Amino acid sequence: DAGITQSPRHKVTETGTPVTLRCHQTENHRYMYWYRQDPGHGLRLIHYSYGVKDTDKGEVSDGYSVSRSKTEDFLLTLESATSSQTSVYFCAIRNDRVSGNTIYFGEGSWLTVV
Amino acid sequence: GQNIDQPTEMTATEGAIVQINCTYQTSGFNGLFWYQQHAGEAPTFLSYNVLDGLEEKGRFSSFLSRSKGYSYLLLKELQMKDSASYLCAALRSNDYKLSFGAGTTVTVRA
Repeated sequence: DAGITQSPRHKVTETGTPVTLRCHQTENHRYMYWYRQDPGHGLRLIHYSYGVKDTDKGEVSDGYSVSRSKTEDFLLTLESATSSQTSVYFCAIRNDRVSGNTIYFGEGSWLTVV
Repeated sequence: GQNIDQPTEMTATEGAIVQINCTYQTSGFNGLFWYQQHAGEAPTFLSYNVLDGLEEKGRFSSFLSRSKGYSYLLLKELQMKDSASYLCAALRSNDYKLSFGAGTTVTVRA
């Protein structure tokens, strides 16, 4: 839905290394979101973006940074990965061209920090 | 901030009906979403309610009461494939932040 592509889909990395996850959309939507999902916590918002170079923090933003230099890409960076950042990361997009609100999710990126 | 509560688990029999309740507290409410998520997969959109009342889509219906901060998802004629986690989420109007409850795992038994 909404032409959302996440990459990489799976990654294993070592503690202390930087990691960047990419969310790419093909439909020019303004709002994009990054969530992480862990057992017992559900989906928690890390950062979101409401336009090019416009981003804001979510509830679990510590240890994460984001960038949105063009409409189609929203990047999530772990500057120095820690084991507590092992998780599934989902990108989401708000389709603002339909009546009401529709928010779709990408397929997820499974990250393991060892 | 936002506070969203839903039951952790529910079990029902194939062919039966299950109702998943969700209560929310949020500043600047702009609608309530329901998603279905199978294990190992991404959440898929089921419904969005912003006005009070019931909306029906096939076997799934969603209800909203804004004054009570309450919603439910009704699953009718349960099938084995409906075994999944169901996520309730509230959208905030001033910044379009979407916050989720912890999810309800529904198990459908034969």
